[in-house]
Amino acid sequence: NAGVTQTPKFRVLKTGQSMTLLCAQDMNHEYMYWYRQDPGMGLRLIHYSVGEGTTAKGEVPDGYNVSRLKKQNFLLGLESAAPSQTSVYFCASSYSYGGINEAFFGQGTRLTVV
Amino acid sequence: QQQVKQSPQSLIVQKGGIPIINCAYENTAFDYFPWYQQFPGKGPALLIAIRPDVSEKKEGRFTISFNKSAKQFSLHIMDSQPGDSATYFCAASIRSNSGYALNFGKGTSLLVTP
Repeated sequence: NAGVTQTPKFRVLKTGQSMTLLCAQDMNHEYMYWYRQDPGMGLRLIHYSVGEGTTAKGEVPDGYNVSRLKKQNFLLGLESAAPSQTSVYFCASSYSYGGINEAFFGQGTRLTVV
Repeated sequence: QQQVKQSPQSLIVQKGGIPIINCAYENTAFDYFPWYQQFPGKGPALLIAIRPDVSEKKEGRFTISFNKSAKQFSLHIMDSQPGDSATYFCAASIRSNSGYALNFGKGTSLLVTP
């Protein structure tokens, strides 16, 4: 049982390049999220999905797009990378049962845009 | 704006001490308050959580105290150990059209010295 798996773990991009971060979960969770973590800023929600085929904007969505074509996968795209997008990106999935809402996080993707 | 305010930013205690991390929120609609623990190079993991209908919850050496009227909650770590050295995030969420998206504090870096 792998939980939440993010691909890749590290990436260096040049300004203007594009890339896609892949998140896969094997827990059959309905909800999935993309966060970015920057020093002193905590984790900020970029986009989220409440089910297959649905996506919505979070707190800091500009410059990112997402897709959830399959329940187990949530993709985060950067169409034209900027240095301000240098960050650690975390994918999470969650369920709700018996009053417990636990989010499970992946290991993170460290992205540097030069 | 940050919906959950966390303090202190960093904390150093000796082994056996009781570090206390505090959080405050404004949105009275929040109904779930978890704490996440993050070790370097890893994703955050759920440590303990509380709902606003109780004032305290203990799990092992970790205790959440919750003050609904003051809109504050805190994490206490009893008999702290060097292995507790990590970054701790408080968070708050509400069931809404964003699923259970977590609103995180900025984090507290805890160092427990031997």
